[in-house]
Amino acid sequence: KAGVTQTPRYLIKTRGQQVTLSCSPISGHRSVSWYQQTPGQGLQFLFEYFSETQRNKGNFPGRFSGRQFSNSRSEMNVSTLELGDSALYLCASSGGQGTIYFGEGSWLTVV
Amino acid sequence: EDQVTQSPEALRLQEGESSSLNCSYTVSGLRGLFWYRQDPGKGPEFLFTLYSAGEEKEKERLKATLTKKESFLHITAPKPEDSATYLCAVQSSSNTGKLIFGQGTTLQVKP
Repeated sequence: KAGVTQTPRYLIKTRGQQVTLSCSPISGHRSVSWYQQTPGQGLQFLFEYFSETQRNKGNFPGRFSGRQFSNSRSEMNVSTLELGDSALYLCASSGGQGTIYFGEGSWLTVV
Repeated sequence: EDQVTQSPEALRLQEGESSSLNCSYTVSGLRGLFWYRQDPGKGPEFLFTLYSAGEEKEKERLKATLTKKESFLHITAPKPEDSATYLCAVQSSSNTGKLIFGQGTTLQVKP
């Protein structure tokens, strides 16, 4: 059974640019959530999508957005990148049976 | 406010020296408490979900327990390959799409 797939794994962007990260959940899982992990703040919830609808949103500025497609794949976008956006972005997939699986993450460096 | 506190921040053990990691939580209605293992540069690996006080789950050298205020991850006779950061997270019954994480305990097991 394939796990949660995130692309790209590593990327470097310049301040002011935008970035799009992709997540393919485990087959059959309809809930996809996104987290930001930094050494100082740990893992923080960004948002959750279920059946193409945003169901929950964390406390992040509007520059952070996401969407989910009909095949449950999800993307998140960060516009007008700031140095502080450098982090590991993690996608999590849930099938509703009490297990939530994470992908390997996308490492974003903003220079 | 829902909150998770893990202790200690770091733990060094000799191979074979058993110990416990603590996860204290406050949440408005616990839906589930999750334990993850995270290796450097990788996404969190799912270990356990606990749902109610008194519940216990085991996997190899790991055993997770849950009370109404805290959870323990007991590591019996650890091996060097158990070295990792262990993360605890709670899911509220009023906001099931979001995990609230603690800062983690970094475990180092020396041979």
